[in-house]
Amino acid sequence: SQQGEEDPQALSIQEGENATMNCSYKTSINNLQWYRQNSGRGLVHLILIRSNEREKHSGRLRVTLDTSKKSSSLLITASRAADTASYFCATAGGSTLGRLYFGRGTQLTVWP
Amino acid sequence: GAGVSQSPSNKVTEKGKDVELRCDPISGHTALYWYRQSLGQGLEFLIYFQGNSAPDKSGLPSDRFSAERTGGSVSTLTIQRTQQEDSAVYLCASSLRPVDEQFFGPGTRLTVL
Repeated sequence: SQQGEEDPQALSIQEGENATMNCSYKTSINNLQWYRQNSGRGLVHLILIRSNEREKHSGRLRVTLDTSKKSSSLLITASRAADTASYFCATAGGSTLGRLYFGRGTQLTVWP
Repeated sequence: GAGVSQSPSNKVTEKGKDVELRCDPISGHTALYWYRQSLGQGLEFLIYFQGNSAPDKSGLPSDRFSAERTGGSVSTLTIQRTQQEDSAVYLCASSLRPVDEQFFGPGTRLTVL
C-alpha cells in the first residue's frame, strides 16, 4: 500500500511548545502533502513538498522529506490553541498520479 | 477567488434511495477528485477526472457509485440504492494539475437511515 502513516496518533502539548508529527510511506512518490482538518469537515491544505525537495517552510510550519527513508515530518513551532486539529499526510505518485493516499492522521491538542 | 464548493452540506436519506452530490471546483482547475471519509475507513479515494481523459474510477466501492463531470467543471457523484455503509462525509477536491496541491471543499455529510 502507498498509504501514509502518521505518528503519533495523538499528541497533547502546551501553548508555545513545538509539535512534531511524522509520516511514513511505502512506495515512490511524486509529492507529499500535509493537511489540517477541524471538526471532521473540510481539509485545509498546508504544504506540498515534491520528491526532489528536502525541506519547505510556511510561516510556523516546517516540513522535511527524506525519500531514502520514505518519511516526512511536520513541525509546528510556537503552537497555539487554534492549532488544535487533526493533521494528515497524503502521498501522490507512482502509477496513480493525482490520486492521494492518506494516513489515519495525528490528533493534535494544544492546551492554553 | 472562490474555493471548492459542495452541496448539499448535509443529506439524510432512507436506505434504497438514490442521492446526488454536487461539486463546483475552483475555476481553471483541470483535475477534480472525490474522496470519502468515514470513521472505520479513514480518507478513501473514489474517482479522479483530468481534463477530457477517461476518469480513474478505481476507487469506487461498487457499481452503485458513479460520477460525471460536465463541461470540465461541475461534477456530480451519484449513489444508487443507498446502503447504511454509504454513510460518510464525501469530499471533493480540485487542483490546477494532477501534480499540484489539491484544495478540498467542505464536504457533504451523508446519513443513510
